[in-house]
Amino acid sequence: NAGVTQTPKFQVLKTGQSMTLQCAQDMNHEYMSWYRQDPGMGLRLIHYSVGAGITDQGEVPNGYNVSRSTTEDFPLRLLSAAPSQTSVYFCASSYSHPRQGGYQETQYFGPGTRLLVL
Amino acid sequence: GQQLNQSPQSMFIQEGEDVSMNCTSSSIFNTWLWYKQDPGEGPVLLIALYKAGELTSNGRLTAQFGITRKDSFLNISASIPSDVGIYFCAGQPDLITSGTYKYIFGTGTRLKVLA
Repeated sequence: NAGVTQTPKFQVLKTGQSMTLQCAQDMNHEYMSWYRQDPGMGLRLIHYSVGAGITDQGEVPNGYNVSRSTTEDFPLRLLSAAPSQTSVYFCASSYSHPRQGGYQETQYFGPGTRLLVL
Repeated sequence: GQQLNQSPQSMFIQEGEDVSMNCTSSSIFNTWLWYKQDPGEGPVLLIALYKAGELTSNGRLTAQFGITRKDSFLNISASIPSDVGIYFCAGQPDLITSGTYKYIFGTGTRLKVLA
């Protein structure tokens, strides 16, 4: 298994440009997430998906769109890049297992995409 | 947004020493995960904890799920230079008490090992 893969590894954009960050997983996990990581801060959730066709917003969704047409892929789109979106972006996939009163997830991360917006 | 309190923020230790770090929250969590992140890489899962009081080991690493369900601890025994990196905790809140099940991350403990 390749696990969680992300492309590209690095990207430089100009303000106003759009682009798509790719994420794929081959573990047949139901859940996938996008996070951004900024210096001195923990990982912050951008968008989340609990299965094909289902997405939800996280803590910092503004300026980003996602879709989940297949179980394997979860691309993140920057609609109009801004310098504030300079960050390292991580995709994660999770499997869940039931527990009393709900379920529990175990998350695995990709290697990240480093984005610089000028 | 809500974040976990992870401490210490950074630490320098001598090779061979034991290391302890912890995460605390005001909310109850159902799951605790501990990750290590090397420079330029994604976080790698070290240990997953699913029950209050659970104690789990992975080689020289041992982590515990606090009895109150509001904290977790990670210990590294006999540290070696390759232990250098940033260690993150992540907690999955209890849906009923918190209204969310989405993971919350600590800000990390940066570990430096002096040979």
